[in-house]
Amino acid sequence: GAVVSQHPSWVICKSGTSVKIECRSLDFQATTMFWYRQFPKQSLMLMATSNEGSKATYEQGVEKDKFLINHASLTLSTLTVTSAHPEDSSFYICSARDRQVLGSYEQYFGPGTRLTVT
Amino acid sequence: SQKIEQNSEALNIQEGKTATLTCNYTNYSPAYLQWYRQDPGRGPVFLLLIRENEKEKRKERLKVTFDTTLKQSLFHITASQPADSATYLCALWMDSSYKLIFGSGTRLLVRP
Repeated sequence: GAVVSQHPSWVICKSGTSVKIECRSLDFQATTMFWYRQFPKQSLMLMATSNEGSKATYEQGVEKDKFLINHASLTLSTLTVTSAHPEDSSFYICSARDRQVLGSYEQYFGPGTRLTVT
Repeated sequence: SQKIEQNSEALNIQEGKTATLTCNYTNYSPAYLQWYRQDPGRGPVFLLLIRENEKEKRKERLKVTFDTTLKQSLFHITASQPADSATYLCALWMDSSYKLIFGSGTRLLVRP
């Protein structure tokens, strides 16, 4: 149980285009989902926290108009990278917490999406 | 400043030995600390969680200790196997900000 999927697993896009990444909790409902990005050999950096039905909370330095997050249901959150630039190339990972498990602090991570902007 | 430090150099050990990885932090007061495993090109996989009022946690061949005075956690893998080779990340959960903050990870290589 507690599986999180991401789609696509990798994507190559041209500079100036937009890319949407989906994050789904497959067998549980997630009130909260988190979006991270990771550069090679570096730590996961939290970009934003999204709660179902409300606006995402972005970390300092993350442009909310560039990285659009929508958490439309308890099992789906999407991250759209708008007007992508080569410096947006990175590994994007989502995670989710199970709302049904009281006191659970465990986060379940998706397999990640490799974005390359040419 | 707030920091989470893990050894940036890879830990290289012989199969069957115990691997010990260190996580040190400064200027944080975490409610609990977690350890994750990450394989190349994959998302992290949860391994163990230890709360601020716990000293030690075990799960099969894994053991975690947490010293809030030293601000340090040690992660042990006993009877290590080549399949244990991966990057291991420690992460602090901050109740105050509702965030999981990650260290940069330590790469473990277990030689057969």
